[in-house]
Amino acid sequence: DAKTTQPPSMDCAEGRAANLPCNHSTISGNEYVYWYRQIHSQGPQYIIHGLKNNETNEMASLIITEDRKSSTLILPHATLRDTAVYYCIVIPGYSSASKIIFGSGTRLSIRP
Amino acid sequence: SQTIHQWPATLVQPVGSPLSLECTVEGTSNPNLYWYRQAAGRGLQLLFYSVGIGQISSEVPQNLSASRPQDRQFILSSKKLLLSDSGFYLCAWSVSFWGGNQPQHFGDGTRLSIL
Repeated sequence: DAKTTQPPSMDCAEGRAANLPCNHSTISGNEYVYWYRQIHSQGPQYIIHGLKNNETNEMASLIITEDRKSSTLILPHATLRDTAVYYCIVIPGYSSASKIIFGSGTRLSIRP
Repeated sequence: SQTIHQWPATLVQPVGSPLSLECTVEGTSNPNLYWYRQAAGRGLQLLFYSVGIGQISSEVPQNLSASRPQDRQFILSSKKLLLSDSGFYLCAWSVSFWGGNQPQHFGDGTRLSIL
């Protein structure tokens, strides 16, 4: 499975867009990019995923570069409740059950 | 909508005691079910997954076992707990679907402390 690289920490002002980068230069053609976050002492929360097209849902937008070697998660209007560790992972497609392996993630702090 | 329930939220057990953690999913049928453990300051470790009733795959040999007695029920057990079993145990589910990728959705977890 491809590995990912994320900055260990970032901060963002409340109300501004938070842009979290992720490198996955060894991603293969059938691997999806997934983003999860984990607020302290809670279970991980699924945010969004994509294969090669940009995706948007009620929580965030996912921008994947054309060569698929990197991606950016965008939280359009960050709030204090978005303070969490954000994990970017790649998971093979065409699998009935895949295990999730988190790296170190990015600790996002939102400033009031 | 689908929901996942785990209980208890916290548990303190002595070394050598048995364990039973339960996870149930509502609002979906024939889900894939997963048990993970997250040690303090470390990433997720997949312990077991199940693609159907009575079908359990083990990822890591250990003194834990899993069972799926009903379609939407997943149980994690141990006959004798070790100190190393302490951690944050997470249950997750996903849609069972070949030909595409489906996200896993996690419960709120059980924080297990072994004394």
